[in-house]
Amino acid sequence: QQKVQQSPESLSVPEGGMASLNCTSSDRNFQYFWWYRQHSGEGPKALMSIFSDGDKKEGRFTAHLNKASLHVSLHIRDSQPSDSALYFCAASNTGYQNFYFGKGTSLTVIP
Amino acid sequence: DPKIIQKPKYLVAVTGSEKILICEQYLGHNAMYWYRQSAKKPLEFMFSYSYQKLMDNQTASSRFQPQSSKKNHLDLQITALKPDDSATYFCASSQVGTGNTLYFGEGSRLIVV
Repeated sequence: QQKVQQSPESLSVPEGGMASLNCTSSDRNFQYFWWYRQHSGEGPKALMSIFSDGDKKEGRFTAHLNKASLHVSLHIRDSQPSDSALYFCAASNTGYQNFYFGKGTSLTVIP
Repeated sequence: DPKIIQKPKYLVAVTGSEKILICEQYLGHNAMYWYRQSAKKPLEFMFSYSYQKLMDNQTASSRFQPQSSKKNHLDLQITALKPDDSATYFCASSQVGTGNTLYFGEGSRLIVV
């Protein structure tokens, strides 16, 4: 059973628009969450982490965590063509032993 | 310069053979990991090591054996290769205790024929 579920599977937004990605965990032991981005042919790179309830903003990226509902989201404002990539949500219970990834959301930003 | 070096980038192997995937990290991290990515199971966690000791193993098959000769090395030996082993294998590292963000290498793409 997939421990981390992401939606939507794919998403297209116009350049300058807002992209919203969702992630839900089925394991209540998960306390730590990350968003990663992977461009084609490369390894995933971390965008941001979020460990506390509420919002966390880094530049154009805002993550929101609700531990009660085990839901985390990522919002990308002013989307750029370079944001086109596969976005993964990752979760961990210990924060170091193992990190479980969702299946990813493929984002396409249309110029 | 890449801080996590994976070798080889690409390899083709024959069913039943054995291969070793190399990973070295120069980030000074104290934990290393192996992940597998395929169309069927994106970014599947395999192993985690810290200070050359196994932390977690989520790989059911004993055909996959991590090997750590130095604290910044974590190789992956795969024996009796099967076509289903075809995937991109990513090595990652993190510094346990400081946010624990994973840093990934560029991957080794394995095709088993």
